Amino acid sequence: NAGVTQTPKFRILKIGQSMTLQCTQDMNHNYMYWYRQDPGMGLKLIYYSVGAGITDKGEVPNGYNVSRSTTEDFPLRLELAAPSQTSVYFCASRDELTQYFGPGTRLLVL
Amino acid sequence: SQKIEQNSEALNIQEGKTATLTCNYTNYSPAYLQWYRQDPGRGPVFLLLIRENEKEKRKERLKVTFDTTLKQSLFHITASQPADSATYLCALRTSGTYKYIFGTGTRLKVLA
Repeated sequence: NAGVTQTPKFRILKIGQSMTLQCTQDMNHNYMYWYRQDPGMGLKLIYYSVGAGITDKGEVPNGYNVSRSTTEDFPLRLELAAPSQTSVYFCASRDELTQYFGPGTRLLVL
Repeated sequence: SQKIEQNSEALNIQEGKTATLTCNYTNYSPAYLQWYRQDPGRGPVFLLLIRENEKEKRKERLKVTFDTTLKQSLFHITASQPADSATYLCALRTSGTYKYIFGTGTRLKVLA
């Protein structure tokens, strides 16, 4: 039981490039979340999903897109990377009450 | 406006003492309040959850209180150890939503 896995661990992007952050969970949870965490700050919700095919915006969705075609996977897409998207990104899945977080992806946009 | 606040300054305490961390919120009616631990370079790990109709929850050396009148939760670590050094985040979820709102976290350092 691997829990929540994220790839890549670290990535450097140039301004304007695109990339997909991968997130997979093996706990059969319906609820999944994407957060970003800037230095010294708490987690800000980007997007979330309540089940396959259903997604919704969080606090800071601009510049990101998500899809949820399966229960296991919840990828986050950055279309045109900007320096403001430099951050650490965490994916989480949730059972009835508890969120389980992945190890994070550190993204640097230069 | 809605806010959830934790003491942004680091808390240093001596080993063996009780650490008390505070989480205050305004303009929310949380159904649940949770506490997480985060170590450097890692994702948060769930510690405790307390519901709006509960006053106190305990788990081993951890205790959480929830005062909906004061709009405050306190998180206590008794008999603290250097291994308890980490950042502690509070998060709340209001009823009828799926979203969690996180505080900025308080860094705790337990000195040997």
